[in-house]
Formats: sequence, structure tokens, C-alpha cells
Amino acid sequence: SAVISQKPSRDICQRGTSLTIQCQVDSQVTMMFWYRQQPGQSLTLIATANQGSEATYESGFVIDKFPISRPNLTFSTLTVSNMSPEDSSIYLCSVGTVLNEKLFFGSGTQLSVL
Amino acid sequence: KNQVEQSPQSLIILEGKNCTLQCNYTVSPFSNLRWYKQDTGRGPVSLTIMTFSENTKSNGRYTATLDADTKQSSLHITASQLSDSASYICVVSVTSGTYKYIFGTGTRLKVLA
Repeated sequence: SAVISQKPSRDICQRGTSLTIQCQVDSQVTMMFWYRQQPGQSLTLIATANQGSEATYESGFVIDKFPISRPNLTFSTLTVSNMSPEDSSIYLCSVGTVLNEKLFFGSGTQLSVL
Repeated sequence: KNQVEQSPQSLIILEGKNCTLQCNYTVSPFSNLRWYKQDTGRGPVSLTIMTFSENTKSNGRYTATLDADTKQSSLHITASQLSDSASYICVVSVTSGTYKYIFGTGTRLKVLA
């Protein structure tokens, strides 16, 4: 199994600021994903983090708002930019193994924007 | 449209009782179906994963079933414990060019002493 370290675990931020969330995996993985989970809702895919190139964003999510980096096979960051209270949510890093037979999740970052 | 629907939305049971959670999906082409447990404030943790050819898969007190013909799955929890209180999420994988995961909205289970 893959062990995922996601930081920070929670944060309270002011409107208009930005927060960068880090995701570190203990093994090389093919796929890395970033999800958002709004209160009482299921997970929504923000983007797939691609190593060494621009992330692939889902409909409704844009790079200017959620810039993502993935410099290597074990590390990725998600930035939530120019935050508003509507961005208050849990953000989850996820990784898939070869052939995506297994899908693991980090412990999540609980973000509150005031 | 690919969709995964779960029922009930929430469930309250007494400790020691059994319960069954349902998952119906309209996903094509189907690759596999997974059940996850998500404790409050934590990331989802995998319970079971089943491919098209598998009918049942167990993980301790958790038993998942899959009927690929009717596109239904269930998760049965036996002799529930207080620690089973969590959200249970059904996830179906699609392989159509790119690999995608379709998430259900989850069932919130509360086990009472």
C-alpha cells in the first residue's frame, strides 16, 4: 500500500489569501489526483497532477484558481488561490497504483476561509 | 451519464446489529467497484474492490456483493461496532480513454451503544 502524507491537516485562512497543500507519497505512483469534498458532499475531482507538465483540470476548475505542481513521481502541491468562504472544504490528495488497481487517499486538509 | 447512487443517505443502528448499504450505478464501461470508509475529518480508506467477474468480497466484518447484470452492489456490516460510525462511499471506475472514478454521495452510518 501507499502511505500518503498530506499537509497541513487543517487551516483557517483569511479571504483573499492563498494556501498551498502538500502531498508526499512513500513510493513512486503513476497517478496523483486532487479532490474537493464540500460539507456533507461526496468527492469532486479537481484535477489530475501530471509529472513535469500541466495538470489536467476537470470542468469547473481552472489553473489560475487551483495551480498544481508535480515535480516528481512522489510529490505534488495544490494551491487554493485568492480564497473566499466558498472555498471552505476538505481537500484530498489521492494516488493510484499501476493500472489504477488501488486508489489511496491522504488524510485531507480541512480548510476554513473567513 | 455516469452516475453512482447510494442508499440510504443516512442510517442509525444499535451496536451489535447488522446493516446493509446499497449502491446502484449507471457507468460504462465498467472497470471495478470499490467501497471506502471515511471517518469524520479523515480521508477515505479502502474496504473492498471488485471487478466485473467477482460477486462477493469480504474484509473482516465487511462483505461487499456485486451484481453486474443489475448494476447493483451492497455492503453488509456484521455485528456493528461503535467504530463503524462513518460515511461509506461507493466508487466505480470507468475506463474509456482515460481512467476515471465516479463517486457516490455516501451513506452516513451512526452506531449507537
